Amino acid sequence: EPEVTQTPSHQVTQMGQEVILRCVPISNHLYFYWYRQILGQKVEFLVSFYNNEISEKSEIFDDQFSVERPDGSNFTLKIRSTKLEDSAMYFCASSVTGVHSPLHFGNGTRLTVT
Amino acid sequence: DQQVKQNSPSLSVQEGRISILNCDYTNSMFDYFLWYKKYPAEGPTFLISISSIKDKNEDGRFTVFLNKSAKHLSLHIVPSQPGDSAVYFCAASAERGAGTASKLTFGTGTRLQVTL
Repeated sequence: EPEVTQTPSHQVTQMGQEVILRCVPISNHLYFYWYRQILGQKVEFLVSFYNNEISEKSEIFDDQFSVERPDGSNFTLKIRSTKLEDSAMYFCASSVTGVHSPLHFGNGTRLTVT
Repeated sequence: DQQVKQNSPSLSVQEGRISILNCDYTNSMFDYFLWYKKYPAEGPTFLISISSIKDKNEDGRFTVFLNKSAKHLSLHIVPSQPGDSAVYFCAASAERGAGTASKLTFGTGTRLQVTL
């Protein structure tokens, strides 16, 4: 069964450094998402992406965050200057359509900011 | 902002019995509801969904019930198996129109333990 793949599985970075989290969505999916889960908290929406542009973003997704689909298969989340509070599991997801379509999640990247 | 609530943080059920997980929501614009299962160190795995035009959807051992007037949905697992032990998340979305992605709002999860 096709799946969403994320790399790396764990990323450790120093405060102020830039990180890029990578995702390969399911190949026939057109809608892409990033979510995060801070330890012990709920899964939170960050951003959705369709047709090469952001569809919606949350208030968490401020200027330090950006997303890109650099080629036909990858979908990336860049955090420009990491803060301690960015430490979380980051999940990429994709869906076939944007409406009434389940999201399929990757296994996440654990980001630790020291 | 708790638009989706799962008031039971944990549930323990014997193998073979029914597991019932509950979820309440407050946003009347939600029109699509999903249940996800999550194991440690893995992403959420889609289980079952229901549109607001239905009140029940069944897939094998999993059935989701939706009560729109009460803004309540539940997931029934029958019979429960030890492999069902995981955290279960309820999620909801509201349609935003063609060509836009409907984000999911998640509940806080219920940890299900199925005992032998």
